Amino acid sequence: GAVVSQHPSWVICKSGTSVKIECRSLDFQATTMFWYRQFPKQSLMLMATSNEGSKATYEQGVEKDKFLINHASLTLSTLTVTSAHPEDSSFYICSARPPGGQPKMEQPQHFGDGTRLSIL
Amino acid sequence: AQKITQTQPGMFVQEKEAVTLDCTYDTSDPSYGLFWYKQPSSGEMIFLIYQGSYDQQNATEGRYSLNFQKARKSANLVISASQLGDSAMYFCAMREGVRGFQKLVFGTGTRLLVSP
Repeated sequence: GAVVSQHPSWVICKSGTSVKIECRSLDFQATTMFWYRQFPKQSLMLMATSNEGSKATYEQGVEKDKFLINHASLTLSTLTVTSAHPEDSSFYICSARPPGGQPKMEQPQHFGDGTRLSIL
Repeated sequence: AQKITQTQPGMFVQEKEAVTLDCTYDTSDPSYGLFWYKQPSSGEMIFLIYQGSYDQQNATEGRYSLNFQKARKSANLVISASQLGDSAMYFCAMREGVRGFQKLVFGTGTRLLVSP
């Protein structure tokens, strides 16, 4: 089945550091990828939609200068948390949907394993 | 307003019994898709089952089935013959609009605990 790989799994760094998270679709091309954020014991909140070859679309309240998204190829999107602070500590997870599907079964989004970010 | 509502923060079930996880949704769009995902403590999101708004029959996938009641706007997940490995968070999600517009909205989740 479709596989989405996310790296790194864990990041612990000092306040003020910028952190880059990669999301790769391993066996399909994804013109669109999604970045979510999940706080402990809460649901996934969509941060932005990453579009290959064009600017990302950010959800309301998400600072685009804080969370830089680059989707330079059909298999790779990156999220960079710039000048991270403790309040940016969270679980970040990406997803992508393989193309195709059948009339009665649309392709679901496939998720990476997520990145746990801890800012000290 | 919440688009996806999961009213059960937590559910307990004994091994081998069936359990129903509730999900109601709110949309005025005639075309939508409903998904259930499982999230173990390790964090990954595992796709379980899908129901399209135009599907006449309830979706089934192994031990998972979806009790789709369109008029009531509910899409409850039924897990039959629960196993210890089913203990996890379960999220209901909805895709609105035409297929190909992929944005998903998630509910708040239900934590399922399966006991021996």
